[in-house]
Amino acid sequence: GQNIDQPTEMTATEGAIVQINCTYQTSGFNGLFWYQQHAGEAPTFLSYNVLDGLEEKGRFSSFLSRSKGYSYLLLKELQMKDSASYLCAVGGLRDSNYQLIWGAGTKLIIKP
Amino acid sequence: KAGVTQTPRYLIKTRGQQVTLSCSPISGHRSVSWYQQTPGQGLQFLFEYFSETQRNKGNFPGRFSGRQFSNSRSEMNVSTLELGDSALYLCASSLRDRGYEQYFGPGTRLTVT
Repeated sequence: GQNIDQPTEMTATEGAIVQINCTYQTSGFNGLFWYQQHAGEAPTFLSYNVLDGLEEKGRFSSFLSRSKGYSYLLLKELQMKDSASYLCAVGGLRDSNYQLIWGAGTKLIIKP
Repeated sequence: KAGVTQTPRYLIKTRGQQVTLSCSPISGHRSVSWYQQTPGQGLQFLFEYFSETQRNKGNFPGRFSGRQFSNSRSEMNVSTLELGDSALYLCASSLRDRGYEQYFGPGTRLTVT
């Protein structure tokens, strides 16, 4: 089957580092995406990994291991505005259709 | 560059009615995808259009349909509304089809009573 697993909720302290994990099973893998979604708003694109390794973009980094079906999003120097849900999505085949398959999201709570 | 726009932003309908939602992608984007988001199910893929053709389709009943016009604007139609159709409907545009970096609109909040 095809599924994506990520923790439901995480809590971290302002200024600290947090790692949000995502494991997936899919056929026809065509990339892994991370999106940020603040409450009541639409998701916004954070990162895209299609090859193994680490992609760094400012305070955010994303890692992919295709052989392990595993990715993580690393957030450094946490700020209160980073409180949001983080969605992992995998491009793959489902019922012979290509689509983005989404995880349920990880709600990140930042405490002062 | 203007972002993705969706109209209307809020909609209340009764069971059995039909509804049409509209999405205007970012200028130059030819791919439009539609998603349903509910607290229990998360983001569920409905369909994707690219150059006026439906390229991919999720696992939703035939009551959900869509189309894309030559200017890349897209509409989604839901017929015979059910209570379970109450959700946030998001559209996302992309330069290319098959996912890639998608830019989401603010969504249409549909409530079916």
